[in-house]
Amino acid sequence: DVKVTQSSRYLVKRTGEKVFLECVQDMDHENMFWYRQDPGLGLRLIYFSYDVKMKEKGDIPEGYSVSREKKERFSLILESASTNQTSMYLCASTTLGRGGTQYFGPGTRLLVL
Amino acid sequence: DAKTTQPPSMDCAEGRAANLPCNHSTISGNEYVYWYRQIHSQGPQYIIHGLKNNETNEMASLIITEDRKSSTLILPHATLRDTAVYYCIVRVSYNQGGKLIFGQGTELSVKP
Repeated sequence: DVKVTQSSRYLVKRTGEKVFLECVQDMDHENMFWYRQDPGLGLRLIYFSYDVKMKEKGDIPEGYSVSREKKERFSLILESASTNQTSMYLCASTTLGRGGTQYFGPGTRLLVL
Repeated sequence: DAKTTQPPSMDCAEGRAANLPCNHSTISGNEYVYWYRQIHSQGPQYIIHGLKNNETNEMASLIITEDRKSSTLILPHATLRDTAVYYCIVRVSYNQGGKLIFGQGTELSVKP
């Protein structure tokens, strides 16, 4: 079974704090993603990576950065957390090829006070 | 990516088959149909996907019409644990690394 794990299920941080969200997948997938999910807005892509040390901006990268030092690990960093970054964060990885399947982690619900 | 249309909600009796429809009339020839579900406060769970032919796995069956403009996800014997929001997605594999665009989905309530 494909497994995508995220470091925390729930997180509470204060405005201005630096926040690290970590994601690990065990299926040797090349592509990994960070989304955020908000009511009424669906899933929005923050960043994705198609290889170690490679990253591409998604649709809403402002206020975020990412790191991919190892193939299995993709980290999302909030340099200075703000209240509008309160959200559910979802990590995913995907098999390549036409019809590749994307698998999601359990999500991290972040509250920024 | 093609747009999908799903009913906002459906009910199903426990033990009966749940048939969830999806319209994707603008689908292109190389776009796959994917189904995911999301139980409250959890990450989306992959269910099944297909291109042209009907597909079946241990979770569900996917029926795609011959013209590929619509599909139906079938949960053969729904249980209370199948209560979730079900998303039908069509996409070309490599747009932004293969990102998925989730619509509003269908909220399925399985009732005893």
